[in-house]
Amino acid sequence: DTEVTQTPKHLVMGMTNKKSLKCEQHMGHRAMYWYKQKAKKPPELMFVYSYEKLSINESVPSRFSPECPNSSLLNLHLHALQPEDSALYLCASSGENQETQYFGPGTRLLVL
Amino acid sequence: SQELEQSPQSLIVQEGKNLTINCTSSKTLYGLYWYKQKYGEGLIFLMMLQKGGEEKSHEKITAKLDEKKQQSSLHITASQPSHAGIYLCGADSADSWGKLQFGAGTQVVVTP
Repeated sequence: DTEVTQTPKHLVMGMTNKKSLKCEQHMGHRAMYWYKQKAKKPPELMFVYSYEKLSINESVPSRFSPECPNSSLLNLHLHALQPEDSALYLCASSGENQETQYFGPGTRLLVL
Repeated sequence: SQELEQSPQSLIVQEGKNLTINCTSSKTLYGLYWYKQKYGEGLIFLMMLQKGGEEKSHEKITAKLDEKKQQSSLHITASQPSHAGIYLCGADSADSWGKLQFGAGTQVVVTP
C-alpha cells in the first residue's frame, strides 16, 4: 500500500481565516513533506519532517505553520493567507533512507 | 542547486505511436525519479533510477539513465489515452537529504 491521503480536497478561505490541511500515511514512513504547486509549474518544496522533527524549511512565510503530531500525520496550519497563496498543496512521504517520495492527491486551495 | 531541463515542453502523439521525453541535469544525478500527474491531482510514482546505464520498464513505459548519470529518458511504446498527462522528472539533491528538485514537466496529449 503506497497511499497518502489528504483532506480536504478543496478549500476556499478568506484572508482573515485560519484553516488546516491534513495529511496521513500508514506506510511506516518517517519522512513527510509539504509541497506547493502553482498552475503549470512543478511542485516546490516547502517543509520536510524527519522522525517528527522539522528538518527543512525552505524560507516559507510564517503564515504557513507545519505540525507533525505523530509519525503518520502531518498538518499545515494556514493563517492570514494572501491570494497569491492559492495553489495545489501536496503532501508526500518516504522511507528513512531517502527513498522514493509518494504523493497524496493534494488540496486545492483558493484564497479570496 | 541542481537544474533539471525537460524536453519537449509538450507533445501531441497519435494513439499507438511511440514517444520519448528527456531530462537533462546540470550535475551528476544521484537518484532520478519519474512521476506522472493529471492536471490538479497528485503525482504518481513511475520509476526510480540510480545507477549509470540503468534501465527499468513497467508495462509500456521504459526509463533509462545514461552512463554519465546526467541524462534520463522516458519512452512510451504504443501510446494509449491513459498515457496522457504531465510527466515530471525529479532528482535528489546531493547536498541535502529530502530535497527533491523537479523539471518543468512535459505535457503529453494522445489523440485518437
